[in-house]
Amino acid sequence: EVQLVESGGGLIQPGGSRRLSCAVSGLSVADNYMSWVRQAPGKGLEWVSVLYSGGTPYYAESVKGRFTISRDSSTNTLHLQMNNLRVEDTAVYYCARHDKATPFDLWGQGTLVIVSS
Amino acid sequence: EIVLTQSPATLSLSPGERATLSCRASQSVSNFLAWYQQKPGQAPRLLIYDVSTRATGIPTRFSGSGSGTDFTLTISSLEPDDSAIYYCQQRSLWYTFGQGTKLEIK
Repeated sequence: EVQLVESGGGLIQPGGSRRLSCAVSGLSVADNYMSWVRQAPGKGLEWVSVLYSGGTPYYAESVKGRFTISRDSSTNTLHLQMNNLRVEDTAVYYCARHDKATPFDLWGQGTLVIVSS
Repeated sequence: EIVLTQSPATLSLSPGERATLSCRASQSVSNFLAWYQQKPGQAPRLLIYDVSTRATGIPTRFSGSGSGTDFTLTISSLEPDDSAIYYCQQRSLWYTFGQGTKLEIK
């Protein structure tokens, strides 16, 4: 069974940093497209970042220069390093698998990040 | 950025009725249009991709249609469990989601 399990959320002050993790079992993070998608409280879904199987990362404009996506093949884990956090980054962050043929078909349960003073 | 606009914002129907949800793109997304269902406190679930292909395990009551910039998700014979927010999403140019349609089952 494939599982994606996010962790690392919490309460962070504006300007602070946090690293989110997505532990994956049942598939290889290195062989798939892996994205972070977030959802602000009561709002819709927003794609944040993708790490393609070839290793190239891309970011939404709203997080470019502040967030860094990476993967650890030894632990089969996807990470999202978030720096210079803003109040508007408050959201549930989901990791999701996709590929060239299929959109986001596997999701984790999400981890809540609250940016507040 | 490709903007997806969903309508209506809210839909209230009775069990057994048919639901028709719309999604309009600001420019052509070819056939790279998907639909997701999200229930409170849960992650989104992929229902339909590439306009009309049902994801694994999705009942035939769910169907998708459209092309270019105008797309429709149809749920025939609604069940109480279909109560959720439905999002469309494109992957033609990066990834964007519509703002969602809330479907309420009376």
